Amino acid sequence: DVKVTQSSRYLVKRTGEKVFLECVQDMDHENMFWYRQDPGLGLRLIYFSYDVKMKEKGDIPEGYSVSREKKERFSLILESASTNQTSMYLCASSFGMGQTNSPLHFGNGTRLTVT
Amino acid sequence: SQKIEQNSEALNIQEGKTATLTCNYTNYSPAYLQWYRQDPGRGPVFLLLIRENEKEKRKERLKVTFDTTLKQSLFHITASQPADSATYLCALDMGNTPLVFGKGTRLSVIA
Repeated sequence: DVKVTQSSRYLVKRTGEKVFLECVQDMDHENMFWYRQDPGLGLRLIYFSYDVKMKEKGDIPEGYSVSREKKERFSLILESASTNQTSMYLCASSFGMGQTNSPLHFGNGTRLTVT
Repeated sequence: SQKIEQNSEALNIQEGKTATLTCNYTNYSPAYLQWYRQDPGRGPVFLLLIRENEKEKRKERLKVTFDTTLKQSLFHITASQPADSATYLCALDMGNTPLVFGKGTRLSVIA
């Protein structure tokens, strides 16, 4: 079974802090994604990557950046956390570089609170 | 841009009945459509994928239909059980961009 592991289930940070959310997958998937999920807004794509060192902006990239130095690891960075970034963050992976019909495998999320 | 609507935010049904969830979209028909289940505090889990040239797909008690004329997919759970209670998400795959998700329908199966 594919396992997507997010480093923290819960995280509390202060406004202005730099925040790193880590995601690791163990099935050699090429594609990795970061979503945030908010009540009433559903899942929204922040950034994605189809290969190592490659990154693409999703629908809401402002205030975020990403890093993919190794195939199995995709990090989401909040450069200067703000209260409107309080959310559930979900990482996902799938096989087949750029193959968009592959099912996504999600981690269990990191619930981030910015105070 | 593509819009996805899942018919209701919440749906309550009696145990043993068939639950039917709707996913409507505007504009272009997707190449593929996927359905996911999400339990509280967990990430979504993939259930089924249906292609635009398929009318119907089944997996155990689950059935998905895809009508490109109506721009609609229906997701059925037959003989529903309380354990089926969860949020169900549809997701559109346009073939050249990452999946776009609907907001989900929260299903409650009452014993």
